[in-house]
Amino acid sequence: NAGVTQTPKFQVLKTGQSMTLQCAQDMNHEYMSWYRQDPGMGLRLIHYSVGAGITDQGEVPNGYNVSRSTTEDFPLRLLSAAPSQTSVYFCASSKSGQAGDEQFFGPGTRLTVL
Amino acid sequence: GNSVTQMEGPVTLSEEAFLTINCTYTATGYPSLFWYVQYPGEGLQLLLKATKADDKGSNKGFEATYRKETTSFHLEKGSVQVSDSAVYFCALRGNRDDKIIFGKGTRLHILP
Repeated sequence: NAGVTQTPKFQVLKTGQSMTLQCAQDMNHEYMSWYRQDPGMGLRLIHYSVGAGITDQGEVPNGYNVSRSTTEDFPLRLLSAAPSQTSVYFCASSKSGQAGDEQFFGPGTRLTVL
Repeated sequence: GNSVTQMEGPVTLSEEAFLTINCTYTATGYPSLFWYVQYPGEGLQLLLKATKADDKGSNKGFEATYRKETTSFHLEKGSVQVSDSAVYFCALRGNRDDKIIFGKGTRLHILP
């Protein structure tokens, strides 16, 4: 199993550009989520999904869109990039949304918005 | 709502020292508690977990006990190594909530 994969690993955007961060998992997990990690802020939840066709907002959803058309994939779209979106983005998945399920994390995408 | 508070870092110790990283939580119901570790340039990975009160999670010499009476889940290790240098995150997942809530992380430096 490859686990959770993310592409690209690094990305530089100009303000106003759009892009999609890709996330895929091969563990048949129902639950997937996107976080951003900023210095001194820990991880903040952007969006999450409890299964194909179902998504919901997390703590910091503004400026981001998601969709979940398949169990495996959960792309994160930046609609119009802003410097405040410079961050490291992590995708994670777990078997379900049950309390005891651990999350498996991808290696991250480091995004810089100029 | 649910929240996690962990001690701020960085924490700097010498090799073979005893480690404690404090974590307390606020939650309704009976959450599961986790410690994740992030090595430089990598994503987070599960270190240990506990799913009910008085459970002890352990892995790689690290331990944490789920204390409901003090709402705590402190991470301990008896003798740290240089390879333990990383950022450690305490987290909880509510009994009736899908979302995992993370603390802000504690950076640990171990000096040889």
